[in-house]
Amino acid sequence: DVKVTQSSRYLVKRTGEKVFLECVQDMDHENMFWYRQDPGLGLRLIYFSYDVKMKEKGDIPEGYSVSREKKERFSLILESASTNQTSMYLCASKIMTGEFSGNTIYFGEGSWLTVV
Amino acid sequence: GENVEQHPSTLSVQEGDSAVIKCTYSDSASNYFPWYKQELGKRPQLIIDIRSNVGEKKDQRIAVTLNKTAKHFSLHITETQPEDSAVYFCAATTGSSNTGKLIFGQGTTLQVKP
Repeated sequence: DVKVTQSSRYLVKRTGEKVFLECVQDMDHENMFWYRQDPGLGLRLIYFSYDVKMKEKGDIPEGYSVSREKKERFSLILESASTNQTSMYLCASKIMTGEFSGNTIYFGEGSWLTVV
Repeated sequence: GENVEQHPSTLSVQEGDSAVIKCTYSDSASNYFPWYKQELGKRPQLIIDIRSNVGEKKDQRIAVTLNKTAKHFSLHITETQPEDSAVYFCAATTGSSNTGKLIFGQGTTLQVKP
């Protein structure tokens, strides 16, 4: 069974703090993603990674960075948290194979971050 | 880059009625269009998808149609049930599974009244 695990479900951080959101998948997937979910805005892509040590900006990368040192782990970093980063963060992964196969992405449970 | 617009933002139907959610996309090279369902407090999960070489796909009470010329695709749910109540997201992607990234619509909150 597919499993994407986000280590922290609920976090409360202070403005200016450095925040780490961790995501681990056990499916040997090459591709991993970080999305942010806000009401009325849907799921917006922050960063994604094709493979270990490879990353690419999504649509809203400002204020975020990522780290992919191991294939199974993709971390989202907020260098200096701000109140407008209060949101639900979803990690996802997918396999990388074939032209039309392997496009299904699997999501983690989500991490609710509140910045005060 | 790709942009996906989804309508309506909220939809309320009586149990047994049909529900239709529509999405448009901007990138004519998009070739894969999935729909995800997110129940309250849970992760989004794939319910159906369609590829650009197909015009329609059906799975029991759920169907998706694609009009490549108009660059829009729709989700149809027939004989709705209370357990269909959830947020639904459409998405579009370009490129192969090696490089393709999913761009999501804004979401539709569907409420099915018993």
